[in-house]
Amino acid sequence: ARAVTRSQPEMSVREAETVTLSCTYDTSESDYYLFWYKQPPSRQMILVIRQEAYKQQNATENRFSVNFQKAAKSFSLKISDSQLGDAAMYFCAYRSTYSGTYKYIFGTGTRLKVLA
Amino acid sequence: EPEVTQTPSHQVTQMGQEVILRCVPISNHLYFYWYRQILGQKVEFLVSFYNNEISEKSEIFDDQFSVERPDGSNFTLKIRSTKLEDSAMYFCASKDRGTGANVLTFGAGSRLTVL
Repeated sequence: ARAVTRSQPEMSVREAETVTLSCTYDTSESDYYLFWYKQPPSRQMILVIRQEAYKQQNATENRFSVNFQKAAKSFSLKISDSQLGDAAMYFCAYRSTYSGTYKYIFGTGTRLKVLA
Repeated sequence: EPEVTQTPSHQVTQMGQEVILRCVPISNHLYFYWYRQILGQKVEFLVSFYNNEISEKSEIFDDQFSVERPDGSNFTLKIRSTKLEDSAMYFCASKDRGTGANVLTFGAGSRLTVL
């Protein structure tokens, strides 16, 4: 991928409500992996969810789900029933499946604030 | 749960000094990475390491940078002569070979401040 970008630098959501974070990427490849990572104030990045591009079904992990639109090269993260602990920077990331390419490309993050 | 550990958590150094950042990846992982993050913003790839050699590096990873895995457990990043713009958080990450995973596990980071 040449770039992974996010649409909003900062978003806010009230506790218990739903928020969607957007991510787009640019690639000519047909198979790849996409990830959302969370970076709380402690600063260690933690995997939230991942999606293989060859899978049509959107990934889901408890309150977190993605909307993967391959043709549009869009990969958004939906957080349902938001909790105070969800407040963090969120980064989407791309990794090619081609051998010889090892790097994960991260986009600029979206800061999520959760309001009580 | 296995984790990636990094030391030091914070290092302050004078411009022109050498710095070594250390990482202990997860023991059965085979791929190792260094990323940096300036001012809590973009996470930038520096280098990946596999089978005791650099597998890929970015434009940022110039001759001032080097990595090694001296003893089979530690994975170090050396900056030979630090510049002010090297001030950043440096994250180590590792990954196993499992084809189903492809998940990077990150350490907590080392904050480098160059004065």
